[in-house]
Amino acid sequence: GQNIDQPTEMTATEGAIVQINCTYQTSGFNGLFWYQQHAGEAPTFLSYNVLDGLEEKGRFSSFLSRSKGYSYLLLKELQMKDSASYLCAVRDVSMKNRDDKIIFGKGTRLHILP
Amino acid sequence: IAGITQAPTSQILAAGRRMTLRCTQDMRHNAMYWYRQDLGLGLRLIHYSNTAGTTGKGEVPDGYSVSRANTDDFPLTLASAVPSQTSVYFCASRGGETDTQYFGPGTRLTVL
Repeated sequence: GQNIDQPTEMTATEGAIVQINCTYQTSGFNGLFWYQQHAGEAPTFLSYNVLDGLEEKGRFSSFLSRSKGYSYLLLKELQMKDSASYLCAVRDVSMKNRDDKIIFGKGTRLHILP
Repeated sequence: IAGITQAPTSQILAAGRRMTLRCTQDMRHNAMYWYRQDLGLGLRLIHYSNTAGTTGKGEVPDGYSVSRANTDDFPLTLASAVPSQTSVYFCASRGGETDTQYFGPGTRLTVL
């Protein structure tokens, strides 16, 4: 089976930096996604890591270590509009039948304080 | 249309009724997914389809069925709705150069 863990809630201050961690266990790992979801809206894509290392995209960066089953999303220069839930998701491909699924963690609700 | 659409936007349904949630994408993505999202439980995968003509069960498939007759459409059917199926349902597709997963706007379903 799969297991994805991330903190339930975090709080940070406007202008600061915050790191949201995600650990996972899966038998057929084939990439890790990060999504942002504002209340009442659909998730929107932030990043996709397949190989180890850091991927930077503007104020947001995502890191992956496949050997540790670990990823983080780093948000810099926080803005009030960054208040949202951040979802970690793992792509799991079965070696047996090539079934290709994307499974989500429960999400981390990030509160930004002025 | 551009992207992925879902219908209806919201629905109130009596328990025991049959309901089909529609999902259509125009990006020619092979893979499509149905999730439900409930407070405190996050997004849970109901069913998925890696390509037209094939489907698979996700984490919470009971009480739901899907079909994938063509690339664009992936309807989700509740044969006999129960109150525990009250949720927000998101359809998604995956593909393109970056193999990104895109979500539809969601359907808010209430079963009374």
